[in-house]
Amino acid sequence: AQSVTQPDIHITVSEGASLELRCNYSYGATPYLFWYVQSPGQGLQLLLKYFSGDTLVQGIKGFEAEFKRSQSSFNLRKPSVHWSDAAEYFCAVGPSVDSSYKLIFGSGTRLLVRP
Amino acid sequence: DVKVTQSSRYLVKRTGEKVFLECVQDMDHENMFWYRQDPGLGLRLIYFSYDVKMKEKGDIPEGYSVSREKKERFSLILESASTNQTSMYLCASSLPGGVNEQYFGPGTRLTVT
Repeated sequence: AQSVTQPDIHITVSEGASLELRCNYSYGATPYLFWYVQSPGQGLQLLLKYFSGDTLVQGIKGFEAEFKRSQSSFNLRKPSVHWSDAAEYFCAVGPSVDSSYKLIFGSGTRLLVRP
Repeated sequence: DVKVTQSSRYLVKRTGEKVFLECVQDMDHENMFWYRQDPGLGLRLIYFSYDVKMKEKGDIPEGYSVSREKKERFSLILESASTNQTSMYLCASSLPGGVNEQYFGPGTRLTVT
């Protein structure tokens, strides 16, 4: 079955430290991959996406992610975290086998930033 | 700037009431989605629509229906609200042609008492 796993429910980092958020997926072919961020009380905003090509993808707000087919992973990274990065982050893959429109979302990782 | 708006940010309804959640997008997108977000469960798809008057069930359609009479507007209907439908509801839209970036509204936090 297709699935997305974000193993860390919460992560706390100090401001200025580096960040890596993990995303593992189970998928039969090469998926389309997304990272979204949700600030408190807000909807989701796309950080970056991977469809094909270069496996290292640059996104907004200084984020990047690397697609590793052999590890079925698409981890999100940032070299230096800012207090404003505190939010919830969702990894998503698609399309699902039952619909060409549908994304499968992970359960999210909440990032806390220590001053 | 692209925009998806939802009619209410917060809503409190009583058990058994009929509830309408409205979503409007100004991007001329064919696809529109309704999700439910609960802690620890991520986003779960309720319904989506790939054209006017066209809809498909998502993963958790029970207790919900939808309406799309115009391209820009997608409504979620709770026919008889129950306490287990207390949740955050997110609307999204995207371009046609399979999986694409979805643009999300700010969400409606619904409480059913």
